[in-house]
Parts: sequence; C-alpha cells; structure tokens
Amino acid sequence: EAQVTQNPRYLITVTGKKLTVTCSQNMNHEYMSWYRQDPGLGLRQIYYSMNVEVTDKGDVPEGYKVSRKEKRNFPLILESPSPNQTSLYFCASSFRQGNQPQHFGDGTRLSIL
Amino acid sequence: AQSVTQLGSHVSVSEGALVLLRCNYSSSVPPYLFWYVQYPNQGLQLLLKYTSAATLVKGINGFEAEFKKSETSFHLTKPSAHMSDAAEYFCAVKAGRGGSEKLVFGKGTKLTVNP
Repeated sequence: EAQVTQNPRYLITVTGKKLTVTCSQNMNHEYMSWYRQDPGLGLRQIYYSMNVEVTDKGDVPEGYKVSRKEKRNFPLILESPSPNQTSLYFCASSFRQGNQPQHFGDGTRLSIL
Repeated sequence: AQSVTQLGSHVSVSEGALVLLRCNYSSSVPPYLFWYVQYPNQGLQLLLKYTSAATLVKGINGFEAEFKKSETSFHLTKPSAHMSDAAEYFCAVKAGRGGSEKLVFGKGTKLTVNP
C-alpha cells in the first residue's frame, strides 16, 4: 500500500530535549516536505527536499533541521524544542511533476512543555 | 508567488443541502489547484485537482470544483451534503508548467453538517 509513515504519532516532551520525528514513503517520490498546522493558520511549510542530499528552507524553518540521506526518509529534527513548537506536524511526498498531488502522513502531534 | 484565500473559516449546512466552499487564488503563472479534506485526527486526503485540462473537475465522494480563470476561483461544491462530509477542507495552489513544487495552502474551512 502506498503510504507516508510518520512516527511517533503523539509526543509530549520538555523544553530543550532533542527529538526526531521520522518520515518514510514507499512511493519512490523525489519531493518531500514538512508542514506544521496551527489553528487558524492552515499548513505552513518548514523544510522541503527535491531529492537525496538536496534540502531547503520553507516559510517557517527556525528551530528545525532536516536531512535526506536516502530517498525514502526525511526526518525532522528539533535540536532544542521550545513551547512555541507545540503543533501538529505533517510529512508529505510527491513526484517532481507539478501536476502531481502531495501524499500526506497521518500527522504527529507534539507538545513541548 | 502563489497565495490562496478561503472565504469562511466555518460553514454550516443541513444534511441534503448544497455544499459550497469558496477558494480564490493568486498566481503569477498558470496554476495547479488542489482541494484536500482532513477528517479529525487524520492527515490530508486529496479530493480533486485541476491541472489545466477540463475546467470542471470531479473528485471523490461526490465533490467537484470549477476553475474560473477570470474570477481566479476554484470553488468546491457538492449537491447534497452527507453527515460524513463534516471535516476541514483546504484549497492549495502550486505554480504550473515547471514552476516551484511548493504547495501553498489556504487557512481551511471547517464544514459542519446538521441533521
């Protein structure tokens, strides 16, 4: 089954404790992206990757890191999480043809205390 | 640059009534347009997409949308609402014809269906 898998689905942690949210897709997609969703703000792009070893900042990259060492994986790293990073996070992937839709994971709800 | 405006953060309809969710876009190049639906505690699911073929696009679950270039609109409709349509709906735009892969989302419209 074609899917984007995120882990964990839920996480409660404390300020400053490094965490990683994993994202994996099995569709051989070149493009992958991370979004955060906050009430009233819709989805905002954090980082994206056009292919292996090619990553770039989105609209709200501060406080986040990513890597793309393999085509299928695109982890999101919070080196020193803060309460303002409490949010719902989505990973998405697609082929690099503009008319192709992005496929989304089920989301990761992070609470930073 | 692309942008999307969804008019109405909340829309409430009765079961069996017409659903109309409004989306206006701005794009410096011919766009690709998408509607996604998000059910509670789930990710975003593609409803339909416009990619410069037919201007009237049919999607899943009885939804359709019409691309109107003159009005820069891509409104989502369904003739008869069902209780299971209650969800949040997002319109999104991407630059067409080899433009950026970036998908820009509207802020969403939460649809409530009353019995």
